[in-house]
Amino acid sequence: AQSVTQPDIHITVSEGASLELRCNYSYGATPYLFWYVQSPGQGLQLLLKYFSGDTLVQGIKGFEAEFKRSQSSFNLRKPSVHWSDAAEYFCAVIPGVTGGGNKLTFGTGTQLKVEL
Amino acid sequence: DTAVSQTPKYLVTQMGNDKSIKCEQNLGHDTMYWYKQDSKKFLKIMFSYNNKELIINETVPNRFSPKSPDKAHLNLHINSLELGDSAVYFCASSQFRGGTGLETQYFGPGTRLLVL
Repeated sequence: AQSVTQPDIHITVSEGASLELRCNYSYGATPYLFWYVQSPGQGLQLLLKYFSGDTLVQGIKGFEAEFKRSQSSFNLRKPSVHWSDAAEYFCAVIPGVTGGGNKLTFGTGTQLKVEL
Repeated sequence: DTAVSQTPKYLVTQMGNDKSIKCEQNLGHDTMYWYKQDSKKFLKIMFSYNNKELIINETVPNRFSPKSPDKAHLNLHINSLELGDSAVYFCASSQFRGGTGLETQYFGPGTRLLVL
């Protein structure tokens, strides 16, 4: 079955440390990939997206993500985390031309806590 | 200059009541969506409208009826509210790309519904 997996439910990092949030997908072909962030009590903000081309994608707030076809992964990274990055992070996919049209499917989310 | 707005932000109501949530976008997009985020923060698409026509209708009880008076608005009416309807409801919009998936969805701030 097609799915999006975020293996880490909770991650805690110290401010200034590097961060990597994992995302794996299970689709027949390369889907279109997104990372969204949800701050407490807030809506969803798009961090970055991958449609095609360069597999290393730069986003807002200093985030980047790398698409690895061989591993079916799209992990989110940040070299130095700030306390304001504490939030819930969602990986999401659209199946694209393989079907499903514009239906955005979300992973279960990873809650990031930042220790000062 | 809010891109996707929802009203109300909070909604507390009794079981059995009927309520509506409104969504408006000023991005000039032609496609709008409703998503439900449950208590475990899992996000799932409910409906999608393109140019006021329903294009995605997930397995949602028919107590939920979306209405799109024009491309910039998508409202969600819920009849006979149940305890399990308590959730955060997010509206989103995008510019349709013929079902290819090559589109980015922008989300509203959410409406937090609590059914007592």
